[in-house]
Amino acid sequence: GDSVTQMEGPVTLSEEAFLTINCTYTATGYPSLFWYVQYPGEGLQLLLKATKADDKGSNKGFEATYRKETTSFHLEKGSVQVSDSAVYFCALSVASGTYKYIFGTGTRLKVLA
Amino acid sequence: ETGVTQTPRHLVMGMTNKKSLKCEQHLGHNAMYWYKQSAKKPLELMFVYNFKEQTENNSVPSRFSPECPNSSHLFLHLHTLQPEDSALYLCASSLEAGEERDTQYFGPGTRLTVL
Repeated sequence: GDSVTQMEGPVTLSEEAFLTINCTYTATGYPSLFWYVQYPGEGLQLLLKATKADDKGSNKGFEATYRKETTSFHLEKGSVQVSDSAVYFCALSVASGTYKYIFGTGTRLKVLA
Repeated sequence: ETGVTQTPRHLVMGMTNKKSLKCEQHLGHNAMYWYKQSAKKPLELMFVYNFKEQTENNSVPSRFSPECPNSSHLFLHLHTLQPEDSALYLCASSLEAGEERDTQYFGPGTRLTVL
């Protein structure tokens, strides 16, 4: 069935370090892919998305490229800040028969000053 | 007020109580969703409403009863819950369910504790 797998956390980095959070998916049809971020005490909010193969989503210095050949959508940022500390969720949406919006388990990121 | 709001933010209830969670969206969307977020588990989609009609019920126990009186409001009625139902319940909305490119907009959630 359709699913999203993302790397387990927590991920702890020093400020200005490079960030990669891996996400792979399985899906029937042609899903849209999303990264959401959840700050403490808040709901999820969209960070970026890509709706077709080879699209690159970007926002606030974060980037992810929709790779159909490797069924991946890895999140990257060149230089993290303390304010990036949060939980990051990879998700897919696909409408094949029934509508599905599937989230990964989330990866907690902690950035130290 | 803008975005998606949820009340209450925190709720503690006994297993015999009846309570309701409320969600309101001010975005002009037509689809609304309830999710359950438990520690170390993926976000679980519970119910989907599209233009006030329920389109998805992902095998949710009947002790959870949703209600969508209009496209802006969504309720989750709770009765005879179990301790394992303790979780963060998130409401979300999007322009239209079934549109896979749509972004979902989330409320801050209701932290529910069942004693």
